[in-house]
Amino acid sequence: DVKVTQSSRYLVKRTGEKVFLECVQDMDHENMFWYRQDPGLGLRLIYFSYDVKMKEKGDIPEGYSVSREKKERFSLILESASTNQTSMYLCASSVTSGRGNEQFFGPGTRLTVL
Amino acid sequence: DAKTTQPPSMDCAEGRAANLPCNHSTISGNEYVYWYRQIHSQGPQYIIHGLKNNETNEMASLIITEDRKSSTLILPHATLRDTAVYYCIVRPNTNAGKSTFGDGTTLTVKP
Repeated sequence: DVKVTQSSRYLVKRTGEKVFLECVQDMDHENMFWYRQDPGLGLRLIYFSYDVKMKEKGDIPEGYSVSREKKERFSLILESASTNQTSMYLCASSVTSGRGNEQFFGPGTRLTVL
Repeated sequence: DAKTTQPPSMDCAEGRAANLPCNHSTISGNEYVYWYRQIHSQGPQYIIHGLKNNETNEMASLIITEDRKSSTLILPHATLRDTAVYYCIVRPNTNAGKSTFGDGTTLTVKP
């Protein structure tokens, strides 16, 4: 089974802190994604990466950056956390094949910024 | 990606089939239909996907109409653990799996 793990299930940070959210997948997938999920807004794509050191902006990249130095690891960085970044953060990975590219999600990190 | 429309909520009796509809009238020829579900406080879980033929796996069946403008996810024998939000997504096979999730359908399975 594909496994996508995230470094923390719950995280509490203060405004202005730098926050790192780590995601690791063990199935050699080339594509990795970061979403945030908020009530009434669904899942929104922040960034994604289709290869090591490659990244592309999603729908809401402002206030975030990402890093992909190794294929299995995709990090989301909040340079200076703000209260409006309190949310559930979900990481996903996928492999592009001839029959589709279903995404596999991690359990999520619930981040609270005080 | 094409937009999808799903009912906000549905109920189903335990042991009965749950049929979850999805409209995607603007779907393009190269777009697949994907279904995911999200149980409370967990990440979304892939269920099934298809292009134009009906599909079945150990979790569910996917029925896609001939014109591909709508589809139905069928859980043949719903259990209480199937209570979740179900998302229908359409997207091409070439965008690396980048998905746009709508509001989905909250399915409540009742004893």
